[in-house]
Amino acid sequence: TQLLEQSPQFLSIQEGENLTVYCNSSSVFSSLQWYRQEPGEGPVLLVTVVTGGEVKKLKRLTFQFGDARKDSSLHITAAQPGDTGLYLCGMNTGFQKLVFGTGTRLLVSP
Amino acid sequence: DVKVTQSSRYLVKRTGEKVFLECVQDMDHENMFWYRQDPGLGLRLIYFSYDVKMKEKGDIPEGYSVSREKKERFSLILESASTNQTSMYLCASSLAGGYNQPQHFGDGTRLSIL
Repeated sequence: TQLLEQSPQFLSIQEGENLTVYCNSSSVFSSLQWYRQEPGEGPVLLVTVVTGGEVKKLKRLTFQFGDARKDSSLHITAAQPGDTGLYLCGMNTGFQKLVFGTGTRLLVSP
Repeated sequence: DVKVTQSSRYLVKRTGEKVFLECVQDMDHENMFWYRQDPGLGLRLIYFSYDVKMKEKGDIPEGYSVSREKKERFSLILESASTNQTSMYLCASSLAGGYNQPQHFGDGTRLSIL
C-alpha cells in the first residue's frame, strides 16, 4: 500500500494567522485531491492538482503540486474560524481509487 | 447536487452480530466506495464497486463484505461484528471515466460494537 504522510497532525491557531499543511509520498502521484471535512459531515473536495509545479487558488487557500509530483502543500492566508476542520489529501493511484493521507486537524480560534 | 445518504448516523451493535450499513446515491454514479475513518489513520478503503454486482477489495477488506445489486445502492456487511470494527464508516460515490473525478461522501455512520 502506498503511503501518504501529512503534517502537521494537529494545528491550533488564532484567527488571522497563516498556515501551511504538507502532503508527502515516496511515490509519484498521477494527481492529488484535497478535501476538507467539517465535524459531523463527510469530506468535501476542495481542489484537484494534476501537473507538476501547478498552483491553484481558492480564495484564501493556495494549493501547490510539487515539481516531481511527490508532494503537495495547502497554504491558508489569514485563517478564519470557518476554516476549522480536518484537511485530507488523496493520491490518485489509478483505477479511479484514492489513497488518503492521515489528515491535518485545524482549529482556528476567534 | 450529488446526494449520498447513509442509512444511520449512529449504530450500536453487539459482538458477533451481522451488521448492515446502507448507502444510496442519487446521481447515477458508476463508482461507489466504503471507507473507515479512525483517528490518526485517515480514511482507509474497505471495498469499492465500479458497476452493479462488481466489487474489488480495498486495503482492509478482512471481516467485511459488500453488496451492489442496484446501481444506486452499496451495502457494507460486517459478517460477525467485533470490537475492533468500532469506527466511523464513510460511503462515497464518483463518476467513472478519467482519474480525477471527485468523490462525493455521505455524512458517515458512527458504529460502536459492544
